[in-house]
Amino acid sequence: ETGVTQTPRHLVMGMTNKKSLKCEQHLGHNAMYWYKQSAKKPLELMFVYNFKEQTENNSVPSRFSPECPNSSHLFLHLHTLQPEDSALYLCASSPRANPPAEQYFGPGTRLTVT
Amino acid sequence: GDSVTQMEGPVTLSEEAFLTINCTYTATGYPSLFWYVQYPGEGLQLLLKATKADDKGSNKGFEATYRKETTSFHLEKGSVQVSDSAVYFCALSGTPGYSTLTFGKGTMLLVSP
Repeated sequence: ETGVTQTPRHLVMGMTNKKSLKCEQHLGHNAMYWYKQSAKKPLELMFVYNFKEQTENNSVPSRFSPECPNSSHLFLHLHTLQPEDSALYLCASSPRANPPAEQYFGPGTRLTVT
Repeated sequence: GDSVTQMEGPVTLSEEAFLTINCTYTATGYPSLFWYVQYPGEGLQLLLKATKADDKGSNKGFEATYRKETTSFHLEKGSVQVSDSAVYFCALSGTPGYSTLTFGKGTMLLVSP
């Protein structure tokens, strides 16, 4: 148990669906992150939030829309996804984003786009 | 820019064998260094860390020493178990202005009974 929870753990969605991934951290951290992990590819940073403000968008397509209503919660809204978006989506939190400190990861959401 | 290079996997060992997974890095300044482990179907877990040169991080029988002269942070364990089978990631927190850790590509470890 790392103090970072993610729901749902598994999600299957069609290309025309809209769904959201949720992440919550119970560690009192100020920074939160979304990563994409695909088979046989390096970990890909998607978004960084520091004190609820987005500080980095790593050229992510607009069909992925993040939301950070407070320092404890992070969402990833999904719409009109493509099959190549199927992957494990990992949320992480950290005491700070700059300079970066150790990150604590949730268990991930396994997303399958059909 | 910052970068982390890990040995290619998979590393296959028999139970009770000695483990070394190599990690070297490039960074400006004096980074902190980390090892993460990812078990099948789970997220990454922080395994150990070191914040300055010659520090040794250790946890669950794993060790790694921060070697500034060789820019390395190799992961070692004296006697691996089947339950250690996982993917191991080396990472660094380096240059100011970066907003996240820099991760290596990961090394898969497979331990057979």
